[in-house]
Amino acid sequence: AQKVTQAQTEISVVEKEDVTLDCVYETRDTTYYLFWYKQPPSGELVFLIRRNSFDEQNEISGRYSWNFQKSTSSFNFTITASQVVDSAVYFCALSGATDSWGKLQFGAGTQVVVTP
Amino acid sequence: DGGITQSPKYLFRKEGQNVTLSCEQNLNHDAMYWYRQDPGQGLRLIYYSQIVNDFQKGDIAEGYSVSREKKESFPLTVTSAQKNPTAFYLCASSIDSADGRSQYFGPGTRLLVL
Repeated sequence: AQKVTQAQTEISVVEKEDVTLDCVYETRDTTYYLFWYKQPPSGELVFLIRRNSFDEQNEISGRYSWNFQKSTSSFNFTITASQVVDSAVYFCALSGATDSWGKLQFGAGTQVVVTP
Repeated sequence: DGGITQSPKYLFRKEGQNVTLSCEQNLNHDAMYWYRQDPGQGLRLIYYSQIVNDFQKGDIAEGYSVSREKKESFPLTVTSAQKNPTAFYLCASSIDSADGRSQYFGPGTRLLVL
């Protein structure tokens, strides 16, 4: 069975602080995909990144960066110099090759609160 | 603008009533999905459709039904058999259902029981 664990329920930071969101996954697949989505208060999920299991390079996109470590089954997400607009719930998700029709297994989400 | 639209934004259901949530996409995507989100929880898959005129049950299909008569549309009906329908419902689509396809989401419909 596939499982995604986001152990942090809520993280509160002051603007300009960095914040790291943890994501730990379990899968028996050798080929799988990991995702991060942002859900602002409006409710719509916004796609942030997709990473496949064969690509362990870290990625940076503006203030966002992702650290994928297969050895620890983790795909952590860091927001650098946080801003109030970063306040949202962030979901990590997993899709494995056995779910050949593209099913996403979501974690419970981490609420990020950024105060001025 | 390409995207996914869901309507209504808020929906109220009376006891014993069936209600239908609309989901339309103009992204020319083959695959479409319905998820349910309860407070403080992740998303759970209700139904998915890989192609027109085909759909399969997800993890929590009981009390729900869907149809896929057109590529653009994937309506979800919450039937009276669904005893706890109050939740946030999200529709998503992906270009197809191959491994690892990114899913794109609509703005959601919040269903409340009167």
